[in-house]
Amino acid sequence: GENVEQHPSTLSVQEGDSAVIKCTYSDSASNYFPWYKQELGKGPQLIIDIRSNVGEKKDQRIAVTLNKTAKHFSLHITETQPEDSAVYFCAASGNTGFQKLVFGTGTRLLVSP
Amino acid sequence: DVKVTQSSRYLVKRTGEKVFLECVQDMDHENMFWYRQDPGLGLRLIYFSYDVKMKEKGDIPEGYSVSREKKERFSLILESASTNQTSMYLCATLPRTGGGNYGYTFGSGTRLTVV
Repeated sequence: GENVEQHPSTLSVQEGDSAVIKCTYSDSASNYFPWYKQELGKGPQLIIDIRSNVGEKKDQRIAVTLNKTAKHFSLHITETQPEDSAVYFCAASGNTGFQKLVFGTGTRLLVSP
Repeated sequence: DVKVTQSSRYLVKRTGEKVFLECVQDMDHENMFWYRQDPGLGLRLIYFSYDVKMKEKGDIPEGYSVSREKKERFSLILESASTNQTSMYLCATLPRTGGGNYGYTFGSGTRLTVV
């Protein structure tokens, strides 16, 4: 089955810096790659996603890139703000369609003022 | 907005007890999921359901069962709670795919402690 690895497990940046979180996946049949943000005391919330027919997607300060050949995808956050501090999870759909996601182990991002 | 409500925010149960975790959604989503979240392990799928009375095992179903008698409600059952089931449990929903929306909506989670 699908296996998703995520790095780093923790990331500390200064406000205004960029942050990059990387994930690799094992199943070449995966075709959907979402990113979730989990704030303290809340459930994960979808922040951006990308499908396998697209190499890059951007939404304001957040972007995701996908390299299907290398089977890795990354989350880029520019001009980080303290409210970006949270745990971020990547996920991949595997070969079972969009319904079942396999998640990475999470990255705790801390943005210091 | 879709709301996914988990009945308890915190729960403390004794070893051997039968535990019910409830999840209710207020939209007409066909798919519902139960994940557990543990530090360093991320989110792992326990069970999911794609329709009423339908269920499929996820990656870690041992020690758990589920029930989906109504479309809006998906229950996770720990038949005989054990300390290794101490965890954060997250419910999620997803509409039937094909409409372009593939994002899960999660509840706020139930932190279960088994003593």
